[in-house]
Amino acid sequence: EDKVVQSPLSLVVHEGDTVTLNCSYEVTNFRSLLWYKQEKKAPTFLFMLTSSGIEKKSGRLSSILDKKELFSILNITATQTGDSAVYLCAITGTASKLTFGTGTRLQVTL
Amino acid sequence: GAVVSQHPSWVICKSGTSVKIECRSLDFQATTMFWYRQFPKQSLMLMATSNEGSKATYEQGVEKDKFLINHASLTLSTLTVTSAHPEDSSFYICSASRGLRNTGELFFGEGSRLTVL
Repeated sequence: EDKVVQSPLSLVVHEGDTVTLNCSYEVTNFRSLLWYKQEKKAPTFLFMLTSSGIEKKSGRLSSILDKKELFSILNITATQTGDSAVYLCAITGTASKLTFGTGTRLQVTL
Repeated sequence: GAVVSQHPSWVICKSGTSVKIECRSLDFQATTMFWYRQFPKQSLMLMATSNEGSKATYEQGVEKDKFLINHASLTLSTLTVTSAHPEDSSFYICSASRGLRNTGELFFGEGSRLTVL
């Protein structure tokens, strides 16, 4: 059975800090790992990673995948209060079925 | 990116009634749609996989007679919560896949918050 474990479960930082969120996984027939940000409604897409060692970057957010060690990290630099959300990691195995982790709840304070 | 529309955004109903939630892919044909349920402060749990023109595949522990899924066209899947009870109150989210050529990126609807009184 596919499995995704995220850590930490929750995190409180001050605005301007840098945070690293972790995601480890077990999957049969890995296809991709995805990061989503969820505020009050449905998740919004951040990154999709399929290859090891290639960093994906979008503004202050970046992510990288290690398929040998079966994990990924999501980095957020110079955090802002608008970054407060639950960050979800998910993997796809066969048939595009997404398995989600429990998420990391990030709170950025002033 | 692709757009998936979900309706209604929220619904309140009495115990024992049935509620239908629609999920539409607006600018692409979705061969596969997925229905998730999310309880407060928990992650998304896959309920079922809906394939156009065939029966849905339900995850273990999800009652297929209670959560009826219909995927009659390449742009529409519906989830009907039959004889809803307060414990069915949850946030239901659909997502759609363009097809097997992609590596798994899914596009999410806005979600439907169901409250059963």
